[in-house]
This record gives sequence, C-alpha cells and structure tokens, in this order.
Amino acid sequence: DAGITQSPRYKITETGRQVTLMCHQTWSHSYMFWYRQDLGHGLRLIYYSAAADITDKGEVPDGYVVSRSKTENFPLTLESATRSQTSVYFCASRDPDRATYEQYFGPGTRLTVT
Amino acid sequence: AQKVTQAQTEISVVEKEDVTLDCVYETRDTTYYLFWYKQPPSGELVFLIRRNSFDEQNEISGRYSWNFQKSTSSFNFTITASQVVDSAVYFCALVDTGRRALTFGSGTRLQVQP
Repeated sequence: DAGITQSPRYKITETGRQVTLMCHQTWSHSYMFWYRQDLGHGLRLIYYSAAADITDKGEVPDGYVVSRSKTENFPLTLESATRSQTSVYFCASRDPDRATYEQYFGPGTRLTVT
Repeated sequence: AQKVTQAQTEISVVEKEDVTLDCVYETRDTTYYLFWYKQPPSGELVFLIRRNSFDEQNEISGRYSWNFQKSTSSFNFTITASQVVDSAVYFCALVDTGRRALTFGSGTRLQVQP
C-alpha cells in the first residue's frame, strides 16, 4: 500500500526489554521523523533523518536509537524500555523538494511499558 | 527557539455552537509555516490547513475558518455550528525554514455534546 505505515500498532513490553518500532514509507521522501505524544506535551520530536545514513537528535532523544540504512525505512529502538517511554509514537515523512513543509504521518504505535 | 502555545486544554460545547481554538506561536524566523491537525478518537493525525508567513489572508473551508494575525503571532481556528463529529484533539504546529521538524502545541481537546 502506498503511504506511511507503522508496526506494530500496539505493543506491551516490560521494563528493561529492547523494543523496535518500525516505520516504512513508499514515497521515497528523504526526510523522516519520529515523534512521541504525551498528554500535556503534544507531539515532541525524538529523532529525524535527512537521508539514508543521516540522522540527528530531536528534543527528547534519550533512551532511543535510530538507524536508516534504506530511504524507505526508519526504525526506532528503545534499548532498555522504561515506564516513562509509555507513549504513542508517530512516524512522519516529508519531501524536501516541496516547499510546503507538510509532513505525512503514520497511524501511530501505542507502546505500554509495564 | 520555536514555541507554540495552545492555552485551552479542553473545551466543551453543545452542538451547533461556534467555537474558537487559540494558537499563539513564537519564532525568530521571518519565513515559517503554520499548521492545524485534527486527532479524532481513532488516533490518527489529520491535516487540516497550512499557512505560510507571507499569506495573512484568512481562510474558510466549509464550517472551518482560520484567522492568521502576524501582529499578535496568532493562528486561531474557528468551527462554526459545531457537530459531534468535530470532537477531537486539535493541534497547532509551526516550522520555520531553518528547521526540518514541526513544533507542536500541547493540543486542545474539543468535546461537542449533542
């Protein structure tokens, strides 16, 4: 399917476990982003990537690792999950050649850390 | 630094009432884009509107209208004759040309009672 997809959509994990959230887009957008949504904070940027093999930290990167070996994929890994990482995670992409700055969001992954 | 403030955490109205959602932003850049997104109970983010800093013309789309005022750094959103289907969380967001990611406000939860 065309667009941007995230998997899994729901995940429950235990404190200390490693978990990877997947993000895949079919547009070949060079920019991709990970945000987390928490009550009272809106969406906050975790990491972003300007192209394959280029990533940079956002506002709340601690405890997260990203990689981008292929343009279409941008996985987010929680190396040792903590309860404070319980959140809804959104992946997004953008075409930098379009001067609209509009981002396209995936459906989100609801992660619960017990 | 960029900042978006949505001071209204939650608003409750009765169907057919008009409601305005406030958004105040801060940026040092002269070129920037403002967005509104809707997040219905199903959780996805739905793009509503984009406005660039050089276009202060107000916009109307059906029951939705947006008032952009650079003098007060505000980009307010009005729903006329609200409906139950308008119940959602609404986010205002900002990006300037020096950044790549959106800065979101904390969101306003709108409840429209029948």
